[in-house]
Amino acid sequence: GQQVMQIPQYQHVQEGEDFTTYCNSSTTLSNIQWYKQRPGGHPVFLIQLVKSGEVKKQKRLTFQFGEAKKNSSLHITATQTTDVGTYFCAPANQAGTALIFGKGTTLSVSS
Amino acid sequence: ETGVTQSPTHLIKTRGQQVTLRCSSQSGHNTVSWYQQALGQGPQFIFQYYREEENGRGNFPPRFSGLQFPNYSSELNVNALELDDSALYLCASSLDRDTGIYEQYFGPGTRLTVT
Repeated sequence: GQQVMQIPQYQHVQEGEDFTTYCNSSTTLSNIQWYKQRPGGHPVFLIQLVKSGEVKKQKRLTFQFGEAKKNSSLHITATQTTDVGTYFCAPANQAGTALIFGKGTTLSVSS
Repeated sequence: ETGVTQSPTHLIKTRGQQVTLRCSSQSGHNTVSWYQQALGQGPQFIFQYYREEENGRGNFPPRFSGLQFPNYSSELNVNALELDDSALYLCASSLDRDTGIYEQYFGPGTRLTVT
């Protein structure tokens, strides 16, 4: 079945450093969504990418969708302690009825 | 606009028992999905309901069943509970699927512990 791999699984940074998580799929994706889950919380929608090569920015966060629509990345510039959490990429399944979540990348930030 | 709400927040059940979890969708949303999230894992899709009909199902056995009501609220029922059913159960609502917009608005979840 459709799967996504995210790397790294864990990342620790000092506050102010940059952070990137990568999401890879063996199949071409119709779209991909990104979610953030704070410790003890629930996933919160960040963004959806649909077009090949798409780049979207939200303040310090930059999201990219690969040209082949098989990979995606999230880059955070100058991390802050509020960025702590697990970041999930989640493509929709072929029927568009479900999101496929991997294990995510858990980010910790020390001040 | 109210967000997605779930009840109860926490629940402890014994193996073999049955449980019902409840979810109220975000205002204006008519699609609801249920996910199971084990500790340290990403959410796993259980099923989706659209206009009161099951619209898709993940790799979960039939003892996981659901309902969606005319007001778009939903229930997840699990029969014959097993220890591995211990997890965070997340409900997520979304806008009309016909528009092709699929971002999910998750509720706070129900933490189920099976002993």
